[in-house]
Amino acid sequence: DAGITQSPRHKVTETGTPVTLRCHQTENHRYMYWYRQDPGHGLRLIHYSYGVKDTDKGEVSDGYSVSRSKTEDFLLTLESATSSQTSVYFCAIGGQGSYGYTFGSGTRLTVV
Amino acid sequence: GESVGLHLPTLSVQEGDNSIINCAYSNSASDYFIWYKQESGKGPQFIIDIRSNMDKRQGQRVTVLLNKTVKHLSLQIAATQPGDSAVYFCAETNSNSGYALNFGKGTSLLVTP
Repeated sequence: DAGITQSPRHKVTETGTPVTLRCHQTENHRYMYWYRQDPGHGLRLIHYSYGVKDTDKGEVSDGYSVSRSKTEDFLLTLESATSSQTSVYFCAIGGQGSYGYTFGSGTRLTVV
Repeated sequence: GESVGLHLPTLSVQEGDNSIINCAYSNSASDYFIWYKQESGKGPQFIIDIRSNMDKRQGQRVTVLLNKTVKHLSLQIAATQPGDSAVYFCAETNSNSGYALNFGKGTSLLVTP
């Protein structure tokens, strides 16, 4: 989707294991975002980044950490996965006056 | 906290009819609004946007109306087609929130032949 890719697309992991999801962009956007999508909740912001090594928490940040060591990559880490983190995770780029935001295709994560 | 909500969770329309999807928001600082379409198994797809200094914007078969007085946003789809069947989300943002989008819960649009 317009220069944004997420990996992996699907993952099944066990409770208590660490998991890292990757978002890669080729649009050189300063702002990147991680959302989770659950039935009945729409998309909720987990963390966002406004530049390399600059990140901030969103609405549902507990249990998640992020890192942005270079402009093109934004990593989301579940330090110790729980069943409540079973969800579809979307990465997005945009903001700061740019029109529209572009979303990746999502990562479906299942924690068993 | 501030919320963005939708009046109807589902909407069923006949092919060729016009569709109207409504959205209410509560954050007075919201200055940019976007409508997204999401098909099953895919990420949200940008449809149309509007800034707070406007009250109407038109695209191809779609129109967004913004009423800041009552904090209401609507998406109108003309001559709805089966390919328009999807979940539609409104979202708002402002510079105070790191430009992060705040989404409503979504309306499912079903277009019947």
